[in-house]
Amino acid sequence: DVKVTQSSRYLVKRTGEKVFLECVQDMDHENMFWYRQDPGLGLRLIYFSYDVKMKEKGDIPEGYSVSREKKERFSLILESASTNQTSMYLCASSFYSRSNQPQHFGDGTRLSIL
Amino acid sequence: GDSVTQMEGPVTLSEEAFLTINCTYTATGYPSLFWYVQYPGEGLQLLLKATKADDKGSNKGFEATYRKETTSFHLEKGSVQVSDSAVYFCPRMTTDSWGKLQFGAGTQVVVTP
Repeated sequence: DVKVTQSSRYLVKRTGEKVFLECVQDMDHENMFWYRQDPGLGLRLIYFSYDVKMKEKGDIPEGYSVSREKKERFSLILESASTNQTSMYLCASSFYSRSNQPQHFGDGTRLSIL
Repeated sequence: GDSVTQMEGPVTLSEEAFLTINCTYTATGYPSLFWYVQYPGEGLQLLLKATKADDKGSNKGFEATYRKETTSFHLEKGSVQVSDSAVYFCPRMTTDSWGKLQFGAGTQVVVTP
């Protein structure tokens, strides 16, 4: 079974702090994704990566950055946390191919910015 | 632009009732379609998928058929249980070959005993 592990289930940080969310997958997937989930909006893509050191902006990248130094690990960084970044954050991974591989999700990190 | 539209929730049902969750999409071409389920406090789990027109995905009593003519992928289950209470998502895969998913708002289902 694919395992996508997010480092924290719950996190509370203060406005202006630099926040790191970590995600690790154990299936040698090329693709990794970061989403945020908000009520009534579904999941929105923040950033994704298709290879080590490669990254692409998603639909809502403002205020975020990412790092992928190793294939199995994808980090989301909030450079200077703000209250409007309070949300549920979900990481996912998948194989890179043209055969429409499904994404596998972690359990999420519920982040509160005070 | 391309989008995914799901019926608004919450959908409230009694145990053993028939469940339908409507999902329609707009897209250029024929994207792969998925249903994911999110139980309270958890991430998303893949429920089923379809990669081409007329494909039927099924799993755990749930079914959905990819209807090209109506651009729909409605989810059905014949007899729901309290344990089916969750949020259901029907994302489409984008056609840019990156393997990205585009999500709708999700539909919350509440099954009462």
